[in-house]
Amino acid sequence: EAGVVQSPRYKIIEKKQPVAFWCNPISGHNTLYWYRQNLGQGPELLIRYENEEAVDDSQLPKDRFSAERLKGVDSTLKIQPAELGDSAVYLCASSLDPGTYNEQFFGPGTRLTVL
Amino acid sequence: AQSVTQLDSQVPVFEEAPVELRCNYSSSVSVYLFWYVQYPNQGLQLLLKYLSGSTLVKGINGFEAEFNKSQTSFHLRKPSVHISDTAEYFCAVSTIIIQGAQKLVFGQGTRLTINP
Repeated sequence: EAGVVQSPRYKIIEKKQPVAFWCNPISGHNTLYWYRQNLGQGPELLIRYENEEAVDDSQLPKDRFSAERLKGVDSTLKIQPAELGDSAVYLCASSLDPGTYNEQFFGPGTRLTVL
Repeated sequence: AQSVTQLDSQVPVFEEAPVELRCNYSSSVSVYLFWYVQYPNQGLQLLLKYLSGSTLVKGINGFEAEFNKSQTSFHLRKPSVHISDTAEYFCAVSTIIIQGAQKLVFGQGTRLTINP
């Protein structure tokens, strides 16, 4: 069974440029999460989707970040414009549903460097 | 709100020695506890979890952890480590928020380095 797929794996951009990350969750997983992991820190939740609905986006900086999950499968996270402080690893995870008994499976992440 | 503190940012250990990675949590409600491992350039992988029942939890790769409610701790242990255990380890706490959904809060991570 394929795991969570993310692309690109690495991205280097200059500040003020836009950037987008793509995630394909495990087949059949209804819940999808985007996390940001700053250097030397643990992941922090940005947004959680249940199917195509964003049900928890309280930590998403809405002035520059946006996300979508069309058709309840793949998801895209966008930053526009990027700032130096956005340099981090962006992780996507998925689970069957959001309950505690269901393990979250993580993708390898996209490492973003903003110059 | 819950929080997690991993007391050691780095732990160097010799191969075949025992190791303990410490984790303390703070929460005003019942919690569920997890340990994840992150190998270089990879995503997080679940090592073990405590949801209820026995306070000693066994996970993959020979790791185990003990839930101690009075100490609010969930330390990870392995009796004999291998070079392949070199990785970053994250402790996480979860509570039920709404409609049965969990929200994971991670600690800062502990980098375990195994020396030959």
